[in-house]
Amino acid sequence: QKEVEQNSGPLSVPEGAIASLNCTYSDRGSQSFFWYRQYSGKSPELIMSIYSNGDKEDGRFTAQLNKASQYVSLLIRDSQPSDSATYLCAVSSGNTGKLIFGQGTTLQVKP
Amino acid sequence: NAGVTQTPKFQVLKTGQSMTLQCAQDMNHNSMYWYRQDPGMGLRLIYYSASEGTTDKGEVPNGYNVSRLNKREFSLRLESAAPSQTSVYFCASNVATGDFYEQYFGPGTRLTVT
Repeated sequence: QKEVEQNSGPLSVPEGAIASLNCTYSDRGSQSFFWYRQYSGKSPELIMSIYSNGDKEDGRFTAQLNKASQYVSLLIRDSQPSDSATYLCAVSSGNTGKLIFGQGTTLQVKP
Repeated sequence: NAGVTQTPKFQVLKTGQSMTLQCAQDMNHNSMYWYRQDPGMGLRLIYYSASEGTTDKGEVPNGYNVSRLNKREFSLRLESAAPSQTSVYFCASNVATGDFYEQYFGPGTRLTVT
């Protein structure tokens, strides 16, 4: 059974701080890694994708991938109250595009 | 360009009733997917279609059937609804980015089975 694990939280950070969200996966053959943001009552929104080891930055978001440790993380710099949401880690292997999701981490950014 | 659309947005069924959830995408994507999301959980794949005319089971296919009517449309059918199928259902489609894919989701259908 391929698994993706996240700490469900909630993770609470003050406005302006760095939020760090973590995810581990069990399938060493995984090739694609994604972070989705989901506001309450809404659908998941893709915010970051990463395919190779190292860091990938997009604005205030940085995704980090370590395939040897089977670990992917998302850093949110200068956190804003509007970043308060559930963040879903998703992993894909092979060429079917199927995603396996973690249970999500709830982030609360307090003004 | 509406992206991925789903109908209906909300539905209440009685146990044993049947219904079809509709999904359409206007982005010319080959692959489409149906997921369910239960409270406090991530999404679980029900069925997917890699291309028009093909469908395959995902992690939780029992109690569901699908039809890939054409490239745009991928429907999910509950033949005899059960309370355990109360969930939020999301349809998604894939876009290729080089050697990889990125998946985009519709707004969801919130289904309650009483």
